[in-house]
Amino acid sequence: GIQVEQSPPDLILQEGANSTLRCNFSDSVNNLQWFHQNPWGQLINLFYIPSGTKQNGRLSATTVATERYSLLYISSSQTTDSGVYFCAVFSYDKVIFGPGTSLSVIP
Amino acid sequence: DVKVTQSSRYLVKRTGEKVFLECVQDMDHENMFWYRQDPGLGLRLIYFSYDVKMKEKGDIPEGYSVSREKKERFSLILESASTNQTSMYLCASSFFGGTEAFFGQGTRLTVV
Repeated sequence: GIQVEQSPPDLILQEGANSTLRCNFSDSVNNLQWFHQNPWGQLINLFYIPSGTKQNGRLSATTVATERYSLLYISSSQTTDSGVYFCAVFSYDKVIFGPGTSLSVIP
Repeated sequence: DVKVTQSSRYLVKRTGEKVFLECVQDMDHENMFWYRQDPGLGLRLIYFSYDVKMKEKGDIPEGYSVSREKKERFSLILESASTNQTSMYLCASSFFGGTEAFFGQGTRLTVV
């Protein structure tokens, strides 16, 4: 089946710094999403981005489907950005998750 | 706004009990999913359903069953709860064809 990898596995940032999270997937997919898991465990939708670039405030995402990767950019990071970021891909209507990137933003 | 609601936020059950986790969505989605999340193992698919009364096994179906009698409701059943089923359980839904998926708030189940 499809493999989804994320890098880096862990990231520590000073507040105000920028970061790029990467998601690689091993085969063609119908869809790709980025999620942020909050401290209470809920998965919050960040982007639904099968291809192209989208922006939402300090966050933006780019998916290059032909090269099988997606990037999530976080600019001017804040402590509230801490948590785990997952990318997930759809393959034949199954949602397959990457292992996540654990982000800690320190004041 | 899409809403996926799980019946309990926290649940404590005894070994051997039959446990029902309920999930309801209000967006007329065809697909519904159950995942469990464990430290170091990520999110793993237990079962999913693409229509009423239809179900397919995910990666870790052993020890679980599901029920989908109505389109908006997807239930996960632990026939005889065991301590190794202590975990965070997450329900999700989406339209057929791989569109955006939405998750419930999660249920932290502890089996003692």
